[in-house]
Amino acid sequence: AQKITQTQPGMFVQEKEAVTLDCTYDTSDQSYGLFWYKQPSSGEMIFLIYQGSYDEQNATEGRYSLNFQKARKSANLVISASQLGDSAMYFCAMREPNSGNTPLVFGKGTRLSVIA
Amino acid sequence: DTEVTQTPKHLVMGMTNKKSLKCEQHMGHRAMYWYKQKAKKPPELMFVYSYEKLSINESVPSRFSPECPNSSLLNLHLHALQPEDSALYLCASSQEWAGSSQPQHFGDGTRLSIL
Repeated sequence: AQKITQTQPGMFVQEKEAVTLDCTYDTSDQSYGLFWYKQPSSGEMIFLIYQGSYDEQNATEGRYSLNFQKARKSANLVISASQLGDSAMYFCAMREPNSGNTPLVFGKGTRLSVIA
Repeated sequence: DTEVTQTPKHLVMGMTNKKSLKCEQHMGHRAMYWYKQKAKKPPELMFVYSYEKLSINESVPSRFSPECPNSSLLNLHLHALQPEDSALYLCASSQEWAGSSQPQHFGDGTRLSIL
């Protein structure tokens, strides 16, 4: 079974609009961490936002926020006021247990295209 | 600019060549990783080093040989690779303690092409 599921292979959004990228996960661990990364066509993986399983508040980082619904095991990324530079591949990832030296398991990714 | 530096950025090699990929970080991270990423796919874990010791090897073929000479450096030695090994190779590092909210930091990757 997939640990991380991203059901949207591709998404389009108008510039300056908000967009939600879906991510659901599967774990029986109580301690886990959820991450979102952005990968432009140049290849680098850019960390965007983190949510720990014990965090009660939804994480926010600038224009990025994470809609964490623990009971539903979902961790959707919301990008507000989309910019052309947001066009990229977005990966949801999880590590379980939530130790620093635990490798990440990635979803298949969602390609976001921002339209002017 | 990323805090994890990978060299070279691009590498083309024949199947009989021996080459090495290098990764360096100076953030004091004691966990370092190699991932392989094929086009339009997510990164897949190859190796994890924790305190300079190999802690995870995801059944990677022996033609890939990792090495961690010190806490800042991670190498991936390549020998007798196959065309299907052509991919983007990503290095990452992270703080190693439990409960850390710190993410893995990735380098820009090495794009490897096997002729």
